[in-house]
Parts: sequence; structure tokens; C-alpha cells
Amino acid sequence: EVQLVESGGDLVKPGGSLRLSCAASGFTFSDAYLNWVRQAPGKGLEWVGRIKGKNDRGTTDYAAPVKGRFTISRDDSKNTLYVQMNSLKTEDTAVYYCIWAARRGGYYFDYWGQGTLVTVSS
Amino acid sequence: QSALTQPRSVSGSPGQSVTISCTGTSSDVGGYNYVSWYQQHPGKAPKLMIYDVSERPSGVPDRFSGSKSGNTASLTISGLQAEDEADYYCCSYAGSYTWVFGGGTKLTVL
Repeated sequence: EVQLVESGGDLVKPGGSLRLSCAASGFTFSDAYLNWVRQAPGKGLEWVGRIKGKNDRGTTDYAAPVKGRFTISRDDSKNTLYVQMNSLKTEDTAVYYCIWAARRGGYYFDYWGQGTLVTVSS
Repeated sequence: QSALTQPRSVSGSPGQSVTISCTGTSSDVGGYNYVSWYQQHPGKAPKLMIYDVSERPSGVPDRFSGSKSGNTASLTISGLQAEDEADYYCCSYAGSYTWVFGGGTKLTVL
């Protein structure tokens, strides 16, 4: 069974930093394309970024609002995905979901974690 | 990257059909056949319902179908059931390894 469990969500002040983690199981993690998608309270979904699998050199892509502030990484020895969030803004307040894009090409968000809440407020 | 445009809400009675539209541009919906739809019940994570415009993952009822014409994709739910009441989001690949979602549509089963 595929499981994705996010952690690390917290209350942080504007300008601060936070690292989220996502522990994965039930699939071959090292080859997996993994994404972060966020959802502000009462709002819609927003794609944050993606990291490819080791066969594709683990390259990363980011949405414009987070580029240069967020860094997605992975530790294949721990089956864990991360997102380091710096220079946080109030508009980064959201539930952050970790997602495995299981289908070929990684174009779809097949398996989702339960999410972790990040609140950016003074 | 602007969000795809969806109606804020739609409704239908049990047994009826409803269609949710998702309008983008030639840079996203119109430019690629990588359109997907997600169902989200309150307090839950979204669930993939449609991919490749019209394909259903295993386990998704065939009451759910997808299509696309030009820059607009559509999700049709036939034979509405109470458990279909949820928020629905479309999503499209937007080129340069980026993705864009729609604003979401709240489906009410009357």
C-alpha cells in the first residue's frame, strides 16, 4: 500500500524558514517523481514544485511564486522527500501535500499524503 | 501562470448528469492532452479521477468522464449520487515542467 506522510508544519513568522518532510512507503522511492501541492485555507490547489527520480538526475522544477525561496530535495536512503521553505510570506500559508506522480511521464498527481499545515503569521 | 477557469458551483439531483467546465489557454489546456481532474471531499486529500483528458484510473466509476475541445476541458458526472458531492479541480500541464490548477467547483447534490 502506498503511504505518504507529511510532517513539519508549524506557525512561523514572515521572513522565517521551515522544512517539511514526507516519509514514503509502498513503492520504489528512488525512481519516483514527487511533487508538492499546496492549498490555502478555503482556497484551491496550487502546484508548488517537483523533483524527478534518480534515473533523471533528480532535477527540480518550481512554480513562479516559490522559485528562489523553496528548495525541494530527497533522501533516497530514507525514502523521504523534503521542501525547504525560506523567506516565508503570509501568502505561503497553506496545507502542503506530498504527491507521487506514478504514471509514466509524471504528469498526474496519483497518490497524495494527508497534508501538513503551514501558517505564516506575525 | 493564471489559474484555469471553473464555475464556482454546480448542482444536480440524484440520477441526473452535470458537467463542469475548465477553460484555459493554448499554453495549457489547448496545447497539451495532459488534463486531469481531482475530487476533494471536505477535510480530505484530493483524489485523481481523470487523466489524459478522458482516462479513468482503476476504481473510478464509469459515471465519470472527461473531454476536451480547444482550450476548454470538461468533466461530466452521470447518474449523480450523494457521495459525488465534493469539490472538483481540473489541472493541466502548462509547459516548461509546470502545472496549473483550476479554481475549483463545488458540486452540490440536491
